[in-house]
Amino acid sequence: GENVEQHPSTLSVQEGDSAVIKCTYSDSASNYFPWYKQELGKGPQLIIDIRSNVGEKKDQRIAVTLNKTAKHFSLHITETQPEDSAVYFCAAMETSYDKVIFGPGTSLSVIP
Amino acid sequence: EAQVTQNPRYLITVTGKKLTVTCSQNMNHEYMSWYRQDPGLGLRQIYYSMNVEVTDKGDVPEGYKVSRKEKRNFPLILESPSPNQTSLYFCASSPMTSGSREQYFGPGTRLTVT
Repeated sequence: GENVEQHPSTLSVQEGDSAVIKCTYSDSASNYFPWYKQELGKGPQLIIDIRSNVGEKKDQRIAVTLNKTAKHFSLHITETQPEDSAVYFCAAMETSYDKVIFGPGTSLSVIP
Repeated sequence: EAQVTQNPRYLITVTGKKLTVTCSQNMNHEYMSWYRQDPGLGLRQIYYSMNVEVTDKGDVPEGYKVSRKEKRNFPLILESPSPNQTSLYFCASSPMTSGSREQYFGPGTRLTVT
């Protein structure tokens, strides 16, 4: 079955710097890759997603890149702000089966 | 307000005492799912449902049951809870017909089994 690895597990950056979180997946049939942000005491919330027919997607300060050949995808956050501090989860999904596998999460701290 | 609700939010119980965690969504979503979240393991899918009366096992279904008798409700049942089921549980829903796969998560239920 699908397995998703995520690195690093913790990440500290200075406010204004960029943050990059990387994920790898094992099942080449996966075709949908969302990223979720979880703030303390809340449920995860989708921040960006990408499908396998696209190599990159950007939404303001957030971007995701996908390398299907290498089976990895990355989240890029530019100009980080303290409110970006949270746990971030990547996930992989094969949309015809709708079974979702999440990575173990990355705890991001943005230091003012 | 579009939302996923879970009840209870906190529950402490004893080994072997049957319990149900309810989940309800008001967005008319076809897809609903249960996850458990444990430190260092992220979110692991327990069960999911793509429609009424259709349920499928996720990665960690052992010790859990679900039912989907109505579109809006997807209760999680622990027939005989054990301490290793102590965890933070999330219910989520997602549209399927619109092409979106975004999952909307509930606020979580923290379960402790002693």
